[in-house]
Amino acid sequence: ETGVTQTPRHLVMGMTNKKSLKCEQHLGHNAMYWYKQSAKKPLELMFVYNFKEQTENNSVPSRFSPECPNSSHLFLHLHTLQPEDSALYLCASSPGLAGARRSYEQYFGPGTRLTVT
Amino acid sequence: AQSVTQLDSHVSVSEGTPVLLRCNYSSSYSPSLFWYVQHPNKGLQLLLKYTSAATLVKGINGFEAEFKKSETSFHLTKPSAHMSDAAEYFCVVSEETSYDKVIFGPGTSLSVIP
Repeated sequence: ETGVTQTPRHLVMGMTNKKSLKCEQHLGHNAMYWYKQSAKKPLELMFVYNFKEQTENNSVPSRFSPECPNSSHLFLHLHTLQPEDSALYLCASSPGLAGARRSYEQYFGPGTRLTVT
Repeated sequence: AQSVTQLDSHVSVSEGTPVLLRCNYSSSYSPSLFWYVQHPNKGLQLLLKYTSAATLVKGINGFEAEFKKSETSFHLTKPSAHMSDAAEYFCVVSEETSYDKVIFGPGTSLSVIP
């Protein structure tokens, strides 16, 4: 596999369920991201991990819990979600930062379409 | 603070005619700028990037963009639209921060009429 993969591609869950989204990158990158994409709204950055350390959390509700066990894998654990959490969840990776301040393009996975019923 | 404005939420062009998608940004530092494309039910794909080298940037699929600092613009163009260009396009600004933060514009939906 190449690039950034996400599983599952589609997920339907009830508000009391617990599920996890998985992201894997095969690019040798060191930074990984979770975004939420809702209809008619700009892309929202949720979490950033750089060298496995969380460096950004844009006031995301605690019902979303990220996990980054290594530089290649990123999870988003979901529990007691609300219907307004239904969206496309995108994972991305970039080379990341090591000392010097740099900016890099991000590479995106295909997304997980989440529906909360 | 950095921000991105995409001046048109929707653009419609005929096949074979030029495409212009407009983007303006604000940034306190020297920004990096990107254009991404998203086809229906797909993730985002990088079209091109500007990182303080040449101001005219060429990307994939015949797209290009010109960085104009005096106008704080980074408009995306293509000489001749193809049906496969119909998609959502996002302009993105990134500053040199300690955590590689990027700001996405709201997107422009491009329709191509046969």
